Amino acid sequence: KAGVTQTPRYLIKTRGQQVTLSCSPISGHRSVSWYQQTPGQGLQFLFEYFSETQRNKGNFPGRFSGRQFSNSRSEMNVSTLELGDSALYLCASSQYRAYEQYFGPGTRLTVT
Amino acid sequence: KQEVTQIPAALSVPEGENLVLNCSFTDSAIYNLQWFRQDPGKGLTSLLLIQSSQREQTSGRLNASLDKSSGRSTLYIAASQPGDSATYLCAFQTQGGSEKLVFGKGTKLTVNP
Repeated sequence: KAGVTQTPRYLIKTRGQQVTLSCSPISGHRSVSWYQQTPGQGLQFLFEYFSETQRNKGNFPGRFSGRQFSNSRSEMNVSTLELGDSALYLCASSQYRAYEQYFGPGTRLTVT
Repeated sequence: KQEVTQIPAALSVPEGENLVLNCSFTDSAIYNLQWFRQDPGKGLTSLLLIQSSQREQTSGRLNASLDKSSGRSTLYIAASQPGDSATYLCAFQTQGGSEKLVFGKGTKLTVNP
């Protein structure tokens, strides 16, 4: 069974631009969560989607948004990029809410 | 505030040594606790999941224990190998069905040949 896939793997954007990251969960998994990882803050929860609905949101500004499609694939969007948004963005999927989570390889976003 | 503390932040050991990584958490109402491994620049690999009703889980050379009353978990690695070198993270989910994982900063392990 294929693991969690994330595209693209690397992105370089300019401050003020917007970006969309994609996550395809493991087949049969219905819950998708997003995390931001930086050297200073570590791993921080962004949001969780289940059945196309956002169920939980972390403490991030409204520039960070996401959605989930009927096939459980998820996208997250960051608008008006800031230098501090440079990070590794990780997606995780689980079969159901609060089950064991499996992470993808991440998207490395660099904002210049 | 929900927090996870992992001690030590870094650990260097010779190959073959048995070692213990520590994790402490502030929320006793945890739903489960998960240990992950992260190689440089890569995603997280799930190692072990312990439900709140369990005391320990084992997988190969790895054994994780959970003590909810004291807010502690340990990851025991037997007969360490250079391939075990990575950052090890623990994270918990709170009760109530939230999918949110609260992570520690991790322990960076180096196993020297």
